[in-house]
Amino acid sequence: DQQVKQNSPSLSVQEGRISILNCDYTNSMFDYFLWYKKYPAEGPTFLISISSIKDKNEDGRFTVFLNKSAKHLSLHIVPSQPGDSAVYFCAASLYGNKLVFGAGTILRVKS
Amino acid sequence: NAGVTQTPKFQVLKTGQSMTLQCAQDMNHEYMSWYRQDPGMGLRLIHYSVGAGITDQGEVPNGYNVSRSTTEDFPLRLLSAAPSQTSVYFCASSYSTRGTGSSGANVLTFGAGSRLTVL
Repeated sequence: DQQVKQNSPSLSVQEGRISILNCDYTNSMFDYFLWYKKYPAEGPTFLISISSIKDKNEDGRFTVFLNKSAKHLSLHIVPSQPGDSAVYFCAASLYGNKLVFGAGTILRVKS
Repeated sequence: NAGVTQTPKFQVLKTGQSMTLQCAQDMNHEYMSWYRQDPGMGLRLIHYSVGAGITDQGEVPNGYNVSRSTTEDFPLRLLSAAPSQTSVYFCASSYSTRGTGSSGANVLTFGAGSRLTVL
């Protein structure tokens, strides 16, 4: 039973346009949500997080939106760049260090 | 600053063999953990440790052992490898051992991964 779901295995976007990656979760007790980015042959690296008491967090080109009633969050990348091509993992924490990850979405940004 | 270092990067084993994946961090992090990454499954937690001498099971602990004798090291042992353990393994660490009521997202720092194939 996956508590964190990323239903889109892949996404292709033109350079300069917006990339929107989606994530759904089932456990309403999650207190933080995080996005990680992973390049081939490297470990995941932290991108951005949001507390469950917020509905938006922004960091440069990256914005995460949280809709608690829908148990849904999304990562927006504007504008998308070829260097953003990677696997993006959504993760959630439950008052602790243990993170529950989604299956990941492969983002391809075409130049 | 090396961060989280994993060795080996690649390993091929035969069914039934044993081996240890090494993980070391130089950031004085309290919390360390092991994840495995499989296609379509994301990252799943195997074991974790909140400090030296303290370990606990994650989501998929069967077939793996861990120990934490020092703050820096957190090895993962496969006692009798099986083809189902073919995966990419990631070690991760973080500063705090958050408990109920603490604030702030606890960000994990990951190693580069160890790709294991069991024939």
